[in-house]
Amino acid sequence: AQSVTQLGSHVSVSEGALVLLRCNYSSSVPPYLFWYVQYPNQGLQLLLKYTTGATLVKGINGFEAEFKKSETSFHLTKPSAHMSDAAEYFCAVSEDTGRRALTFGSGTRLQVQP
Amino acid sequence: DTGVSQNPRHKITKRGQNVTFRCDPISEHNRLYWYRQTLGQGPEFLTYFQNEAQLEKSRLLSDRFSAERPKGSFSTLEIQRTEQGDSAMYLCASSPGAGRSTEAFFGQGTRLTVV
Repeated sequence: AQSVTQLGSHVSVSEGALVLLRCNYSSSVPPYLFWYVQYPNQGLQLLLKYTTGATLVKGINGFEAEFKKSETSFHLTKPSAHMSDAAEYFCAVSEDTGRRALTFGSGTRLQVQP
Repeated sequence: DTGVSQNPRHKITKRGQNVTFRCDPISEHNRLYWYRQTLGQGPEFLTYFQNEAQLEKSRLLSDRFSAERPKGSFSTLEIQRTEQGDSAMYLCASSPGAGRSTEAFFGQGTRLTVV
């Protein structure tokens, strides 16, 4: 069985500060890992994904994440927060077998203070 | 717009009524998923189609829920005899079935409120 834990349901940063959103996963097979962003009353938009290869993955809007197998982590970072980054962020895992449905964490709400 | 389309965007219904939601996936995607998202939680998997075949249903999908995907195109999710606990955002996603990419593209969801 696979699972995702997102540490911190709310994170608040100042505009221009580093953003760090934490994600740890559990999977019995090599996982595919994803970060999605959700704005109020909207669906989910993919920020970035890790499947195989380079462990540092770059995504849209200046976000990046690093897959660390030894730590079973896939933390999301952005060097400098922008007001438009305020949203809910979800980490998800998919095993490379079968249906490949996503298992999501409970989400982290990012607030950006001016 | 060639993204995943869901209708309606919002639905308010009285307890005990039946509701049906529609999802139009990206046209070349043969995998289609339904998820449910309650307030403050991440989406939870409900069911999955490969073309017209429903291959898996979550234990979250009670007997009051039924999903179809006729001809492997659009999909419908019906909830019979709605309960207040069914109030949630229902999300549809599609993905290509071939290749190593498992990226799922999500629609904007249907928000159901049962009163």
